[in-house]
Amino acid sequence: AQRVTQPEKLLSVFKGAPVELKCNYSYSGSPELFWYVQYSRQRLQLLLRHISRESIKGFTADLNKGETSFHLKKPFAQEEDSAMYYCALSHGFQKLVFGTGTRLLVSP
Amino acid sequence: KAGVTQTPRYLIKTRGQQVTLSCSPISGHRSVSWYQQTPGQGLQFLFEYFSETQRNKGNFPGRFSGRQFSNSRSEMNVSTLELGDSALYLCASSFTGGGTDTQYFGPGTRLTVL
Repeated sequence: AQRVTQPEKLLSVFKGAPVELKCNYSYSGSPELFWYVQYSRQRLQLLLRHISRESIKGFTADLNKGETSFHLKKPFAQEEDSAMYYCALSHGFQKLVFGTGTRLLVSP
Repeated sequence: KAGVTQTPRYLIKTRGQQVTLSCSPISGHRSVSWYQQTPGQGLQFLFEYFSETQRNKGNFPGRFSGRQFSNSRSEMNVSTLELGDSALYLCASSFTGGGTDTQYFGPGTRLTVL
């Protein structure tokens, strides 16, 4: 069965520190993986997807099929990065399987 | 371009009642998906509609149903409400519903069952 695991409920760092939000998945096949973000009082929105191999707001994520991971990284955290982050896997038509989310708190 | 809209934003019902939630997708989007978000279970997929046809369904009881109209607007219905149905219900739209298509989420409808 498809499953996405985000082991950390809360990640607290200081501004300027590196950030890594962990995501592991289980999926039989070639996964389509995404990171979604929800800022305070805003709706859930796409941050990035593995197929694009792009960097958004300084965040990157690399798909590691050997370790079945898709960790989200940023070298220098900013206060405005504080938000809830969800890793998700696409399975079938528009069915996203979400992890439980990690709250990132960046302190000044 | 207007985003995904959901109505109503808040709803209070009692056990045994039924409820209908509405979602208007972004103009031009033909796929609409519904999700349930609760503190205990997180975000869970309910179903997806494209061109008025349900293409994908999550693992929810038959009390949860939906439909899509010719203008791509969608409704979901929950009958015989239970306390555990209290949740934030999110709808998302995309152009075609393909696996790599970006889903755009609405603000959600907060349902409270008393």
